[in-house]
Amino acid sequence: DAKTTQPNSMESNEEEPVHLPCNHSTISGTDYIHWYRQLPSQGPEYVIHGLTSNVNNRMASLAIAEDRKSSTLILHRATLRDAAVYYCIPGGYQKVTFGTGTKLQVIP
Amino acid sequence: NAGVTQTPKFQVLKTGQSMTLQCAQDMNHEYMSWYRQDPGMGLRLIHYSVGAGITDQGEVPNGYNVSRSTTEDFPLRLLSAAPSQTSVYFCASSDPWRGGSGELFFGEGSRLTVL
Repeated sequence: DAKTTQPNSMESNEEEPVHLPCNHSTISGTDYIHWYRQLPSQGPEYVIHGLTSNVNNRMASLAIAEDRKSSTLILHRATLRDAAVYYCIPGGYQKVTFGTGTKLQVIP
Repeated sequence: NAGVTQTPKFQVLKTGQSMTLQCAQDMNHEYMSWYRQDPGMGLRLIHYSVGAGITDQGEVPNGYNVSRSTTEDFPLRLLSAAPSQTSVYFCASSDPWRGGSGELFFGEGSRLTVL
């Protein structure tokens, strides 16, 4: 499994963009990069995933480095509801393991 | 659309008791898995299954048994509960082999306390 490194915590002001980084230098060529988030007292929820190209959906954007050794989850306008732990998960679809993630605090 | 349903939502056990946490999904997903999350910690994978009749161990399988007799159900059995198994348990499912995103769908969790 690819090793990941994420900041333990980050802060953002409400309505400002947030860039959440993830290093996954040992990722294999066929591994997708999934991002999940976990709101307080809830189960994780899927945010976005990608392989090589940058991806956008209604929740966020995912920017993947050309060498695929890192990626960045972009929340375009942080809201209070975005306060959560964000997990970057490179790998296949089996035996999906979560690291410690980045705890995002959104300041009103 | 129910998605992933876990029962019970809350349970208190005494040390040494056994119980089964139920997980059912109605999305015809082949892949199912169980996680535990201790207070202030991340999720740890207990067991997973890639289809009916196939199960495998995750990161922390000791003290837990699973079986997968149907596509829909993936129960987690605690044979002899210990206080160290006090945690919130999450069941998840996905079906990445049919062209979907492979995203995991999670249940709401089962909070277990072992006294």
